[in-house]
Amino acid sequence: NAGVTQTPKFQVLKTGQSMTLQCAQDMNHEYMSWYRQDPGMGLRLIHYSVGAGITDQGEVPNGYNVSRSTTEDFPLRLLSAAPSQTSVYFCASSYSTDRSYEQYFGPGTRLTVT
Amino acid sequence: QKEVEQDPGPLSVPEGAIVSLNCTYSNSAFQYFMWYRQYSRKGPELLMYTYSSGNKEDGRFTAQVDKSSKYISLFIRDSQPSDSATYLCAMSGDNYGQNFVFGPGTRLSVLP
Repeated sequence: NAGVTQTPKFQVLKTGQSMTLQCAQDMNHEYMSWYRQDPGMGLRLIHYSVGAGITDQGEVPNGYNVSRSTTEDFPLRLLSAAPSQTSVYFCASSYSTDRSYEQYFGPGTRLTVT
Repeated sequence: QKEVEQDPGPLSVPEGAIVSLNCTYSNSAFQYFMWYRQYSRKGPELLMYTYSSGNKEDGRFTAQVDKSSKYISLFIRDSQPSDSATYLCAMSGDNYGQNFVFGPGTRLSVLP
């Protein structure tokens, strides 16, 4: 049981380049999400998915696309990288009931855009 | 005013001390409260999850919610150097992850 995995761990992009951050989970969770973490800002939600084929925008979706073709995978695409997208990106999967909640984060991808 | 406020620290304490970490919030609709621990260069890890007001204890950790004051706390008893990490609070009005609002985190160092 690997939990949530993310690749790559580090990436440097030039302005205007595109790339895909990969995320996979093996816990059969329906809910998956992408966050970015910047100093002093806390975690901010980019996009999320409540199941295969269903995605929606979070707080800071501009410049990012997602898709969810399977329960396990939730890739994040940067369409045209900008220096403002320099950040640490975390993927998470979770499971909730009325009174309980479990959430697991991946190890993160550190992205630098020059 | 931010929805969730948290002192960024750093907070340094000697080993064995009782640590108190706090968050304040402005949205009275928040009912679900979480604490996460994040080690350097790692993903956050969910430590405590509470619904509505009251206390919840798990080993050396106690989470406390005071909705009347819009104030939540995490207490760590008998703190250890392995507790050195950044602690994030998060809260929401429902149990849907997309609505969770995170604080910026408090960095804690427990000195041996």
